[in-house]
Amino acid sequence: QKEVEQDPGPLSVPEGAIVSLNCTYSNSAFQYFMWYRQYSRKGPELLMYTYSSGNKEDGRFTAQVDKSSKYISLFIRDSQPSDSATYLCAMSANSGAGSYQLTFGKGTKLSVIP
Amino acid sequence: GAGVSQSPSNKVTEKGKDVELRCDPISGHTALYWYRQSLGQGLEFLIYFQGNSAPDKSGLPSDRFSAERTGGSVSTLTIQRTQQEDSAVYLCASSVTSGQGNIQYFGAGTRLSVL
Repeated sequence: QKEVEQDPGPLSVPEGAIVSLNCTYSNSAFQYFMWYRQYSRKGPELLMYTYSSGNKEDGRFTAQVDKSSKYISLFIRDSQPSDSATYLCAMSANSGAGSYQLTFGKGTKLSVIP
Repeated sequence: GAGVSQSPSNKVTEKGKDVELRCDPISGHTALYWYRQSLGQGLEFLIYFQGNSAPDKSGLPSDRFSAERTGGSVSTLTIQRTQQEDSAVYLCASSVTSGQGNIQYFGAGTRLSVL
């Protein structure tokens, strides 16, 4: 079992739909949780960063972390064609050597159809 | 301001040749990471540099891979005797380490193809 599991999709939704993306993880040491968006042939771009369990909202995006269930989610409201990309969940913990290397899910490819 | 810069953006090489990939982190960022993104494997950590401390090399897949960081800024990832399985996108990220972990900012990557 990989440390971080993410459904690779692909996921296709109509414009305006609510999108739900999820990851589960097995390492209880993870403390920091992120969602990155990656367009084709570009580097990952940070969307959301959370530290503790609960919800964090930023515009049309809401990130949820449930540490007790080892489950994180990203919701996108009023989805737009420009949201079409691959979404990567990532998480980290202090390795003890000061490294907060990220462990990624494999990414979910999202297409928003006009 | 300028983001993380990587060069070249694309590299095609023949099996058995050595390649060097370069990363220019964001100015003032003391932490630098290399990751590899390959089909089927996703994004995987390779190596971490923090200031003048010894790097964390725990993610390097073999001794053909090495990296250095000169003057606490620019980093070079070297792959010796490249193999076809080395074909991937190599991503560099930098961050300012803080008490709440870090936020890593990525470059666009170098797409390596080994023929």
